[in-house]
Amino acid sequence: SQQGEEDPQALSIQEGENATMNCSYKTSINNLQWYRQNSGRGLVHLILIRSNEREKHSGRLRVTLDTSKKSSSLLITASRAADTASYFCATGMPNSGNTPLVFGKGTRLSVIA
Amino acid sequence: GAVVSQHPSRVICKSGTSVKIECRSLDFQATTMFWYRQFPKKSLMLMATSNEGSKATYEQGVEKDKFLINHASLTLSTLTVTSAHPEDSSFYICSSRPSGTQETQYFGPGTRLLVL
Repeated sequence: SQQGEEDPQALSIQEGENATMNCSYKTSINNLQWYRQNSGRGLVHLILIRSNEREKHSGRLRVTLDTSKKSSSLLITASRAADTASYFCATGMPNSGNTPLVFGKGTRLSVIA
Repeated sequence: GAVVSQHPSRVICKSGTSVKIECRSLDFQATTMFWYRQFPKKSLMLMATSNEGSKATYEQGVEKDKFLINHASLTLSTLTVTSAHPEDSSFYICSSRPSGTQETQYFGPGTRLLVL
């Protein structure tokens, strides 16, 4: 079953603008991860944030985690046309040795040049 | 970084035939591998958890006799779609987590199955 709900489901912005995607989840987690997927391709791991962390940066990416609200956001700054893809959040459960990541529904981002 | 491969990357078959998809962890051992299915413009849905040396655990609604999983070694899991039908056409993605770790899950590049 799916854990996360991303919003918006689709987002279209101009190149250079910032893109913000949100993810909400339902149960306790050990970590939350964001992935990118270009159309018809595999997943690319972007960033992992642990449940005891509140914010993390990687290049133009900024991820926040609010465990009290069971939500996370992914911010892509100064977007480029190459950022056009679907973005998914995925949650890792506590004691997650043999449990899989559970994916949200994803946000389709279109960056217009 | 760790690499997971899938073979084939793309397959077209006739309705009623069986298709085997391989998932290999190339530079680590994985006691557990996961199989996901993704329909167009949808998210990844977990189908089953593959356990080395034992039976796979299937998610609710996934037919175990339809999707046969074999995890015969610590680096290889196979998913066989038996008697495939057009509704089985989908993108199948495997992933694995190195034995002894809890966070990082590495994904294969996916296999696109088209059943005519």
